[in-house]
Amino acid sequence: AQSVTQLGSHVSVSEGALVLLRCNYSSSVPPYLFWYVQYPNQGLQLLLKYTSAATLVKGINGFEAEFKKSETSFHLTKPSAHMSDAAEYFCAVRASYDKVIFGPGTSLSVIP
Amino acid sequence: NAGVTQTPKFQVLKTGQSMTLQCAQDMNHEYMSWYRQDPGMGLRLIHYSVGAGITDQGEVPNGYNVSRSTTEDFPLRLLSAAPSQTSVYFCASSGSGGPGNTIYFGEGSWLTVV
Repeated sequence: AQSVTQLGSHVSVSEGALVLLRCNYSSSVPPYLFWYVQYPNQGLQLLLKYTSAATLVKGINGFEAEFKKSETSFHLTKPSAHMSDAAEYFCAVRASYDKVIFGPGTSLSVIP
Repeated sequence: NAGVTQTPKFQVLKTGQSMTLQCAQDMNHEYMSWYRQDPGMGLRLIHYSVGAGITDQGEVPNGYNVSRSTTEDFPLRLLSAAPSQTSVYFCASSGSGGPGNTIYFGEGSWLTVV
């Protein structure tokens, strides 16, 4: 069975500081992993995805994530937070075509 | 290219009423799904479909019904609305190339059951 955990339901960072959002997954087969962002009252938008081509994945808006099989992790990072990064972030795992499992989400606040 | 379109965006229902949330995509995607989003619980899969005529249950299917008569449309029916179904509902789709395909989401439908 697949599952996703996101450590920290709410993360606050200062503008210009490093953003680190944690995601750990459980999957019995090599997974495909996704990070999505959700701005208030909007749908989810893909930030980046891991599809086994490279362990370090670069996405939109300066975000990147590293797949670490030994740690079953796929943490999301950004070197310098902007005010516009304030949003809800979701990690998702898809080990089979028919089911996608999302984590509970992490709300990111950016303090000026 | 409209992507995934959901209607209505907002709806208030009385307990016991039925309604249908509409979802359409114009990307010729085989895979479509419905999620509900509740605070602190992320997105939970209600029903999904891997092609026209094929549907299956997700994590929280009770109280919901779906059908897939065409590739483009995947409506979600609430049979007898309950306050516990107050939520934000998202429709999503992805192509048939495999599990690495990007999943595209609609803008969401806010449903309140009173």
